[in-house]
Amino acid sequence: DAGVIQSPRHEVTEMGQEVTLRCKPISGHDYLFWYRQTMMRGLELLIYFNNNVPIDDSGMPEDRFSAKMPNASFSTLKIQPSEPRDSAVYFCASRRQGTYEQYFGPGTRLTVT
Amino acid sequence: DAKTTQPPSMDCAEGRAANLPCNHSTISGNEYVYWYRQIHSQGPQYIIHGLKNNETNEMASLIITEDRKSSTLILPHATLRDTAVYYCIVRVAFGNEKLTFGTGTRLTIIP
Repeated sequence: DAGVIQSPRHEVTEMGQEVTLRCKPISGHDYLFWYRQTMMRGLELLIYFNNNVPIDDSGMPEDRFSAKMPNASFSTLKIQPSEPRDSAVYFCASRRQGTYEQYFGPGTRLTVT
Repeated sequence: DAKTTQPPSMDCAEGRAANLPCNHSTISGNEYVYWYRQIHSQGPQYIIHGLKNNETNEMASLIITEDRKSSTLILPHATLRDTAVYYCIVRVAFGNEKLTFGTGTRLTIIP
């Protein structure tokens, strides 16, 4: 089992640029989650999907953030335009329906200058 | 979800049992206690969960008090690789997918 895969692992971009983060959940998992971690706010849930459908996006900070899940094996989190305050580590996690644990990916460290 | 309170940091000698406490005095009857940990620069890792009975798996044991207002995560023989931030989370099992991570306990294993 390869685990949750995220790419890129590190991203450095300039303010105003579009950033796309990618996630491949564990095969067979029905839920996919996007989290953001900063020193100030800790680890917070941005959005989650069930069977590719967005269920709760109340954690998405603003319209500059969007997430998609076109199929069961791929999701993207896009920031357009990016701002320095978006600098954080973004984690993707997945879970199989009927089980309790979420499996987290290694994260993408985003730096916006 | 019920709020949890954990000490900000703890030390434990290598090879000894690490006991991490968590208070959750407002826990509801249908809420579970979950423990996750985050090793530096990695994603959080699920450890264990329980409702009211004590639980044990290959990683740890979870002891929940009879009134369910507090719990203790036990790592029986701590190693240096157990140095991490440990999060105690209370939530219903299904229907609410949000895991609300607090500030956790930073556990340092001392050689």
